[in-house]
Amino acid sequence: AQTVTQSQPEMSVQEAETVTLSCTYDTSESNYYLFWYKQPPSRQMILVIRQEAYKQQNATENRFSVNFQKAAKSFSLKISDSQLGDTAMYFCAFIIEGGNKLVFGAGTILRVKS
Amino acid sequence: DTAVSQTPKYLVTQMGNDKSIKCEQNLGHDTMYWYKQDSKKFLKIMFSYNNKELIINETVPNRFSPKSPDKAHLNLHINSLELGDSAVYFCASSQDLPGGVGYGYTFGSGTRLTVV
Repeated sequence: AQTVTQSQPEMSVQEAETVTLSCTYDTSESNYYLFWYKQPPSRQMILVIRQEAYKQQNATENRFSVNFQKAAKSFSLKISDSQLGDTAMYFCAFIIEGGNKLVFGAGTILRVKS
Repeated sequence: DTAVSQTPKYLVTQMGNDKSIKCEQNLGHDTMYWYKQDSKKFLKIMFSYNNKELIINETVPNRFSPKSPDKAHLNLHINSLELGDSAVYFCASSQDLPGGVGYGYTFGSGTRLTVV
């Protein structure tokens, strides 16, 4: 069974600073996809960034980047120049190639302080 | 033009009632899902439909019955509502092409169901 673990229930960061959210996953598959979703207080689930397991290069989307370590089954999210609007719950998620179930971690609440 | 739309956004009802949540997607996706987010914010898949056919039913009480009249719609009907059914319910959809799931799921804005 595939599982996703987010070991940090809550984190806080000062505005303009950098923060890293951790995620580990467990699978015996070799082809899969990893995602970070953001859920602000509005409740909407917003896709932040995605990574294909067969790509060694870490994905980057503006201020958001990942550190994907396939051997360690680790997929952390780095947010640079944190903004107040980044305050949200962040979910790490995983799906195998050809799979039909996106599995989520328990989430990390991120608070950006001014 | 909302990609995945759910109605209603909020639903407050008494125990024992029957209620429905509707979901529609205009992305041309073949697969649609229902997820439940509990009070601790944990997201768990309930059902998945591919082109109107049920492909996942994750040990959900049979009081919950999904219905997919066509591949753009997936509704959730709940009979005999219980206090424990209070949660946020999300509809989502994904592409069915090879590698399509690699683009992730597109979620609706959620329906907060409160059973009193």
